[in-house]
Amino acid sequence: SQQGEEDPQALSIQEGENATMNCSYKTSINNLQWYRQNSGRGLVHLILIRSNEREKHSGRLRVTLDTSKKSSSLLITASRAADTASYFCATELSGNTPLVFGKGTRLSVIA
Amino acid sequence: NAGVTQTPKFRVLKTGQSMTLLCAQDMNHEYMYWYRQDPGMGLRLIHYSVGEGTTAKGEVPDGYNVSRLKKQNFLLGLESAAPSQTSVYFCASSYSAGVFEQYFGPGTRLTVT
Repeated sequence: SQQGEEDPQALSIQEGENATMNCSYKTSINNLQWYRQNSGRGLVHLILIRSNEREKHSGRLRVTLDTSKKSSSLLITASRAADTASYFCATELSGNTPLVFGKGTRLSVIA
Repeated sequence: NAGVTQTPKFRVLKTGQSMTLLCAQDMNHEYMYWYRQDPGMGLRLIHYSVGEGTTAKGEVPDGYNVSRLKKQNFLLGLESAAPSQTSVYFCASSYSAGVFEQYFGPGTRLTVT
């Protein structure tokens, strides 16, 4: 069963706009990671946020975590056509347990 | 530094045939994982290993076996392939669990007819 559920399932925006994807999860977590998958490729790690953190930035990426609502969001600012990909959240439920991946959000950035 | 590699990239099997997928990593990672990815289902963990000689079941282990005889290699076996095992298979590795990111291979597209 999926621990994390991304929302929306698909998102289409114009180049230069911001893209926001959300991830909700069911049980308490130690940390949450976001990954990107380009079509036909393996996943690539983007950013990690620990359960005691509320916000992290990496370049054009901003991740927030609200443990009271059991949710996280990934914001990509000033999107580019190269950002077109699927984005997955992955949660670690407890120490040394494998990550549990959500079903992903498909982002299309139109030039 | 090749990272995580998978062999083969594509394979077509007939129902009942067997095959082994090979995953290799050159990052000296302790943890290795096998996932399957199906449309609309995201990634589901099949089996994983926390070190040489160890294996553990993931979310969807039935119909698969694994071995980790060498630290750098993680093999996924299908003893009697079924059409339900048609999928894209990804291998990944990480230094440890928890805060450590996973590094993914390019995937193997398997079709069982």
